[in-house]
Amino acid sequence: GQQVMQIPQYQHVQEGEDFTTYCNSSTTLSNIQWYKQRPGGHPVFLIQLVKSGEVKKQKRLTFQFGEAKKNSSLHITATQTTDVGTYFCAGSITGNQFYFGTGTSLTVIP
Amino acid sequence: DGGITQSPKYLFRKEGQNVTLSCEQNLNHDAMYWYRQDPGQGLRLIYYSQIVNDFQKGDIAEGYSVSREKKESFPLTVTSAQKNPTAFYLCASSIEPGKAFFGQGTRLTVV
Repeated sequence: GQQVMQIPQYQHVQEGEDFTTYCNSSTTLSNIQWYKQRPGGHPVFLIQLVKSGEVKKQKRLTFQFGEAKKNSSLHITATQTTDVGTYFCAGSITGNQFYFGTGTSLTVIP
Repeated sequence: DGGITQSPKYLFRKEGQNVTLSCEQNLNHDAMYWYRQDPGQGLRLIYYSQIVNDFQKGDIAEGYSVSREKKESFPLTVTSAQKNPTAFYLCASSIEPGKAFFGQGTRLTVV
């Protein structure tokens, strides 16, 4: 079946360092979304990318969708303790079904 | 995400019992989903529904059942056939492919 893999599974960074998580799909996606889940919380939608090669920014967060629409990345510049949580990508192929990645758990050390 | 309500937040079940988790949304979304999340793991799709009176199995539907009699409601029943039901259950809804809104989740523990 469809698989969406994320790396790394865990990442520890010093506050102020950058962080990147990568998402890879075995098949071409129609779009990809990114979610953040704080410890003990539920996933919260961050952004959706639709176009090949698309890049979107939200303050310190930069999201990219690959040219082949099979991979994506989330980059956080100068991490803060409020960035702690698990970041998930979720890809759609067709219709309303989407597949979540395995997630990257980010720890920020003050 | 404020428009999706899951209840209860914590649920304890004895082995061999069925239990139903509630999910209600007032966002007027057509699509609704149930996911299971185990500690340190991603979300796995149990069931989803794109319209009233219709639903589809996800990757791990065995031992679960759902109904979609109303647009606003998508309850999940964890049956005694589910061998390892202890997990965090998340309900979500969406109006378009992607951009899902999640409820607060229900933590189910089998005792």
